Amino acid sequence: GAGVSQSPRYKVTKRGQDVTLRCDPISSHATLYWYQQALGQGPEFLTYFNYEAQPDKSGLPSDRFSAERPEGSISTLTIQRTEQRDSAMYRCASSLGEGQPQHFGDGTRLSIL
Amino acid sequence: AQTVTQSQPEMSVQEAETVTLSCTYDTSESDYYLFWYKQPPSRQMILVIRQEAYKQQNATENRFSVNFQKAAKSFSLKISDSQLGDAAMYFCAYRIPVYNTDKLIFGTGTRLQVFP
Repeated sequence: GAGVSQSPRYKVTKRGQDVTLRCDPISSHATLYWYQQALGQGPEFLTYFNYEAQPDKSGLPSDRFSAERPEGSISTLTIQRTEQRDSAMYRCASSLGEGQPQHFGDGTRLSIL
Repeated sequence: AQTVTQSQPEMSVQEAETVTLSCTYDTSESDYYLFWYKQPPSRQMILVIRQEAYKQQNATENRFSVNFQKAAKSFSLKISDSQLGDAAMYFCAYRIPVYNTDKLIFGTGTRLQVFP
């Protein structure tokens, strides 16, 4: 596609529920990134993929967070047993390859009640 | 650990004037990349400008330019001829080219207001 697409744009859910966020990168881009952005802060790295490989997931805050990119294209970020502190903007980015400029999607704003 | 500091939470500028946003970073690496991203109210995250640390020449993109001082670990963004559409949050970011990790480290941002 022309840009990085994320869905849904907004997600409101109750504490304890699982949520899955989706990212569709720019079609020619090999590398895909997930960031978490709290209100008033800069984005913080969660994890990234090079095609379907996931070389670095050091930013995932707990084992409740997981990400997949099984076919090296679309990626999902899943948060299990959500907590209020998980409320944030979740941003996906993609790039042609490692080290290349990252192009961001518009994000999913997640609110945990 | 690498950190990025933006010491100006808010800045303002009059239309057509010039404004400079500050950014400092802490690293022991010699080879790295620096970026400025713009986040307007529309919630996009737009790459404004990029600088490679090994290049001595400051990057420029139209009305946007940087003042990169490697020894001082400073990377400021200058916006010339400011326009109303420049109003946004601006984030400075840093990246190191380390094998098997490829992440941006962001500062906390500077909110820029542009007055007519």
